[in-house]
Amino acid sequence: RKEVEQDPGPFNVPEGATVAFNCTYSNSASQSFFWYRQDCRKEPKLLMSVYSSGNEDGRFTAQLNRASQYISLLIRDSKLSDSATYLCVVRPSGGYNKLIFGAGTRLAVHP
Amino acid sequence: NAGVTQTPKFRVLKTGQSMTLLCAQDMNHEYMYWYRQDPGMGLRLIHYSVGEGTTAKGEVPDGYNVSRLKKQNFLLGLESAAPSQTSVYFCASSAQREFTYEQYFGPGTRLTVT
Repeated sequence: RKEVEQDPGPFNVPEGATVAFNCTYSNSASQSFFWYRQDCRKEPKLLMSVYSSGNEDGRFTAQLNRASQYISLLIRDSKLSDSATYLCVVRPSGGYNKLIFGAGTRLAVHP
Repeated sequence: NAGVTQTPKFRVLKTGQSMTLLCAQDMNHEYMYWYRQDPGMGLRLIHYSVGEGTTAKGEVPDGYNVSRLKKQNFLLGLESAAPSQTSVYFCASSAQREFTYEQYFGPGTRLTVT
């Protein structure tokens, strides 16, 4: 079983749609959680951290459910520029900044 | 501020050839990492370094060696390239500060081994 699992997609949605991505992780001792964004043929970049209480950044909302070991990302009012691959990332316990990356969920927003 | 840079951007090798990938960061970060990214696999950690002069194995270290002689540079070596090492290689760095875990990535090196 992969440590971080995501639906690979692609999710094809029209502009203005709301789309949700889910992610599960296997290590219950994981301490920190993130969503990274990766544009085609580019490097990953941090989109947002995920907190237990849930957090929002503009059109993006991230949720964490530690009991179910489940992370979600909600994008409202999708824009063409949101088209990218979204990587679910987990930091297990440990002495250095090790991150475990999911394989990513691809989003394509069309006019 | 360049952030993290990687050299070269593209390379084609023949089986058995060797090469070195160079990563440089100008953010004074302590930690540096080398990943490979393959379709459907996500980023996998090859080697990492927690400071100048130190290196450690990650998830998929076989066939690779690394060196961190200077804090700002992290080199990844392939001594005898194999087709299974065809991949996109990303270098990353992060600060050694509590509650600061963001990794900053370079633009990647696309390597093809024939």
